[in-house]
Amino acid sequence: DAGVIQSPRHEVTEMGQEVTLRCKPISGHNSLFWYRQTMMRGLELLIYFNNNVPIDDSGMPEDRFSAKMPNASFSTLKIQPSEPRDSAVYFCASSVGGAGYGYTFGSGTRLTVV
Amino acid sequence: AQSVSQHNHHVILSEAASLELGCNYSYGGTVNLFWYVQYPGQHLQLLLKYFSGDPLVKGIKGFEAEFIKSKFSFNLRKPSVQWSDTAEYFCAVSTNAGNMLTFGGGTRLMVKP
Repeated sequence: DAGVIQSPRHEVTEMGQEVTLRCKPISGHNSLFWYRQTMMRGLELLIYFNNNVPIDDSGMPEDRFSAKMPNASFSTLKIQPSEPRDSAVYFCASSVGGAGYGYTFGSGTRLTVV
Repeated sequence: AQSVSQHNHHVILSEAASLELGCNYSYGGTVNLFWYVQYPGQHLQLLLKYFSGDPLVKGIKGFEAEFIKSKFSFNLRKPSVQWSDTAEYFCAVSTNAGNMLTFGGGTRLMVKP
């Protein structure tokens, strides 16, 4: 089991550019979560999907953020246009059978917007 | 909605000291409880979890946690910490009614060699 796979591991981009973060959940997991972590705000849930359907996106900070899950094995988080305050580590996590079993986190994408 | 409080934001200990990190949640129904650890520069990893049964749960690396329902608490303990335990620790709660984990704000532990 390769775990939750995120790419890229590091991304440095200029303000105004589009950024796409990718996540491959563990096979068989039916829930997927995107989190953002910063020193100031800690761990924030951005959005989660259940069976590829977005269930709760109330944590998405602005319209500049969008997330998709076209199939059970792939999800993207897009920021367009990016701003320096978007700099953070973005984690993807997946779970099976609901949160009662806990999440498995990916290694994260460290995004720096300059 | 449930919430999770971790009152100790930063803890500094010397090696071999005992550790107890507090976690309190607010939810009146059945809960599942978790502790995650995040080592510097790494992702969150599951330390231990409680679903039901024995309220004293043992996890990896010598950690344990005790669920006290009457106190809505799930404190993390370790009898003797090591320098390698330096990390941030997150308590989390899920309910049978929901599909999400609610995380506490985290506790940063520094162990001095």
